[in-house]
Amino acid sequence: QAVVTQEFSLTVSPGGTVTLTCGSTTGAVTSGHYPYWFQQKPGQVPRTLIYETSNRHTWTPARFSASLLGGKAALTLSGAQPEDEADYYCLLSYRGARVFGGGTKLTVL
Amino acid sequence: EVQLVESGGGLVKPGGSLRLSCAASGFTFSSYAMTWVRQAPGKGLEWISAISSTGSHMFYADSMKGRFTISRDNAKNSLFLQMNSLRVDDTAVYYCARDGGAMDVWGPGTTVTVSS
Repeated sequence: QAVVTQEFSLTVSPGGTVTLTCGSTTGAVTSGHYPYWFQQKPGQVPRTLIYETSNRHTWTPARFSASLLGGKAALTLSGAQPEDEADYYCLLSYRGARVFGGGTKLTVL
Repeated sequence: EVQLVESGGGLVKPGGSLRLSCAASGFTFSSYAMTWVRQAPGKGLEWISAISSTGSHMFYADSMKGRFTISRDNAKNSLFLQMNSLRVDDTAVYYCARDGGAMDVWGPGTTVTVSS
């Protein structure tokens, strides 16, 4: 089974920009992996921010954007807010089966 | 209101079985694929299984194949996860989520504890 890789932790300054990445041990991440991005704050249910590479939900702040970058899926946060401090998970699809990354703990400091 | 509510969690001994349920309301359940995800205490999210809208296609994480079975009853707007041969490391909060490409609705989760 593939392993999905994410940065363990990242720190961004308030108002700053940070990019989280999501890689696959099977090779380059493509749109065919239908990348998802989820946000989870302590004690809360995960919330889907991005689906199928770059599609935002109605509740996803516009400061979050996603794309494919350098063979990985990428989630960019531009203009970080204190409330963006959370764990972020990506999810990739492998012909029906899916695998989560280990998650990135994002600190806004 | 679109809603998913899991049930069936609890304390079970290693080697035991549990059947989780996920009750859907507020949307046309039979039009959506559904997914189970779990999260062990202090750990990350783990994808378990998904089932197509009609129930004709099921997908599993390698680590759960053969022990977990996903199913659904569209007439009762319900999703199920049969878990057999449970191990201590299956202890987690189990979530169901509406799929269909967006994974936009999640239940609050039900807690499974496997312990002797």
